[in-house]
Amino acid sequence: SQQGEEDPQALSIQEGENATMNCSYKTSINNLQWYRQNSGRGLVHLILIRSNEREKHSGRLRVTLDTSKKSSSLLITASRAADTASYFCATPGANSKLTFGKGITLSVRP
Amino acid sequence: SQTIHQWPATLVQPVGSPLSLECTVEGTSNPNLYWYRQAAGRGLQLLFYSVGIGQISSEVPQNLSASRPQDRQFILSSKKLLLSDSGFYLCAWKERGTSGRGAQYFGPGTRLTVL
Repeated sequence: SQQGEEDPQALSIQEGENATMNCSYKTSINNLQWYRQNSGRGLVHLILIRSNEREKHSGRLRVTLDTSKKSSSLLITASRAADTASYFCATPGANSKLTFGKGITLSVRP
Repeated sequence: SQTIHQWPATLVQPVGSPLSLECTVEGTSNPNLYWYRQAAGRGLQLLFYSVGIGQISSEVPQNLSASRPQDRQFILSSKKLLLSDSGFYLCAWKERGTSGRGAQYFGPGTRLTVL
């Protein structure tokens, strides 16, 4: 079964606006990761937040983690057209495997 | 720095033909290696992973197989392709020993179309 599930499935915003994407998961984790995938390309690791962290920043990215609600959010501030991509959350499981959600398609209109 | 290569980038094959996709990693030793498939507009499905030469774990029953003949080489194969094998195949590596704490690093992918 799917461990991480993102919402919304698709998001369309204007350049300069903030984009917020959410991820929910089912079982206990020691970290949660966010990845970006540009169309037709491989995934790129964006940020990892550990279970004992509540918030983490990397440039224009801000990730929060609420282990009591089993949820995480990814905020992209001051979005750019180049942020247009699919975004996935992923949670680790046994044997160093990652389970990915189905992804969120973000479109940033110039 | 580490790099990961996949080839070919695109492939169109008839039903029933064999398949061989190759993935190689440079700049690291003893990586964990992974094969994923991504159907159009969908998430990633883990197909195989390997923690060492000759050690392959299969996640889903199918007509695909994987091999790791060398430390940094991971091959995905099929003897007879099915239409349902079409998709975007991604190889990834992860540093050994990081357990669930490490990130995975992906190759550029192979777009496979089975006709």
